[in-house]
Amino acid sequence: DTEVTQTPKHLVMGMTNKKSLKCEQHMGHRAMYWYKQKAKKPPELMFVYSYEKLSINESVPSRFSPECPNSSLLNLHLHALQPEDSALYLCASSQSSGYTEAFFGQGTRLTVV
Amino acid sequence: QKEVEQNSGPLSVPEGAIASLNCTYSDRGSQSFFWYRQYSGKSPELIMSIYSNGDKEDGRFTAQLNKASQYVSLLIRDSQPSDSATYLCAVKGGSQGNLIFGKGTKLSVKP
Repeated sequence: DTEVTQTPKHLVMGMTNKKSLKCEQHMGHRAMYWYKQKAKKPPELMFVYSYEKLSINESVPSRFSPECPNSSLLNLHLHALQPEDSALYLCASSQSSGYTEAFFGQGTRLTVV
Repeated sequence: QKEVEQNSGPLSVPEGAIASLNCTYSDRGSQSFFWYRQYSGKSPELIMSIYSNGDKEDGRFTAQLNKASQYVSLLIRDSQPSDSATYLCAVKGGSQGNLIFGKGTKLSVKP
């Protein structure tokens, strides 16, 4: 089973809203990732959590706030987003940060209006 | 800055032909290489990983790695219309397991 589950699948939010994206895996993976993908572009890394600790923040604006409540869950809290933040947000996990076969969830399609 | 280069295509092949997708990378110390398939509007799906020089076969897919030339390729034999997708080459970017992606090659298999 290589399933990573993301909710919601689609999200439309206003620039003053606060929302959260959720990601869950039950494969016992200890590394989890958030990527952002714009249309016709490759995924771009946002954050890496390793053993529930934030290990990489790719200079992401503070309106994006990650959280890893436990080894199975990863959240991305969104606040005061801009229309240019509209994108596909992808969660991925791997067995560990050193073991790099990473499996992606189905993504959340975010539209900021 | 570590880079991964791919020809963006589109690459068009007839059904039943061999599709050949290529990728080069800039960091000579890279050790882990991956091919992901991404259908339009969907998330990337891991189809092959390769870590050692040479060929690795899985069904109709063969990944080839040449570290001396900093080159990795994916061959798809007996291409099917369902193989039509964007293929992303990815290289491990550092000790934290994050991936650096190429821009992807769009493959179209014509019936």
